[in-house]
Amino acid sequence: AQSVTQLDSHVSVSEGTPVLLRCNYSSSYSPSLFWYVQHPNKGLQLLLKYTSAATLVKGINGFEAEFKKSETSFHLTKPSAHMSDAAEYFCVVIGGYSSASKIIFGSGTRLSIRP
Amino acid sequence: EAGVTQFPSHSVIEKGQTVTLRCDPISGHDNLYWYRRVMGKEIKFLLHFVKESKQDESGMPNNRFLAERTGGTYSTLKVQPAELEDSGVYFCASSQDLLAGVGYNEQFFGPGTRLTVL
Repeated sequence: AQSVTQLDSHVSVSEGTPVLLRCNYSSSYSPSLFWYVQHPNKGLQLLLKYTSAATLVKGINGFEAEFKKSETSFHLTKPSAHMSDAAEYFCVVIGGYSSASKIIFGSGTRLSIRP
Repeated sequence: EAGVTQFPSHSVIEKGQTVTLRCDPISGHDNLYWYRRVMGKEIKFLLHFVKESKQDESGMPNNRFLAERTGGTYSTLKVQPAELEDSGVYFCASSQDLLAGVGYNEQFFGPGTRLTVL
């Protein structure tokens, strides 16, 4: 069975400071892991994905995430927050490689940026 | 290339009424999925179409929900009669079939339909 836990429901940082959004997963298979972002009144947008290639994954808008099997973590980071990063972020696990594999969402982390 | 589109963007109805949500997937995507997020909780899987067939409808909450995908193109999700607990955001997503050479099941999401039942 697959599951994903986002450890913080809300994170607030100052503009220009680092961002860390935490995600832990559980999977019976070698997982595919994703981070999605949802800005207000917009659809879910893929930020980055891990599919058993390089463990450090770079995504759009300066975000990156590191897959750590020993810690079962896939935390999302960004060196310097921008006001436009304010949104809700979802960690996602897919436990398989077929189109029937279910996508499991974390509960979401709302990121606020202070001026 | 157009992304996944959903209509309407927002619907407000009274308890007991019927509402139909529509999703147009990315052209050529055989897989279409419905999800919903209720009351700020996790986004939950509802069902999965492969072309016009229901591959998995294990997430459908009850028989007040009916999903169709006529001709394997767009899909509709009907709620009849709507209840207060049906309020939330309904997302649609689509993906290519793995036979097309895609190595993982990346799903592309629409903007969602926000349903409010009063």
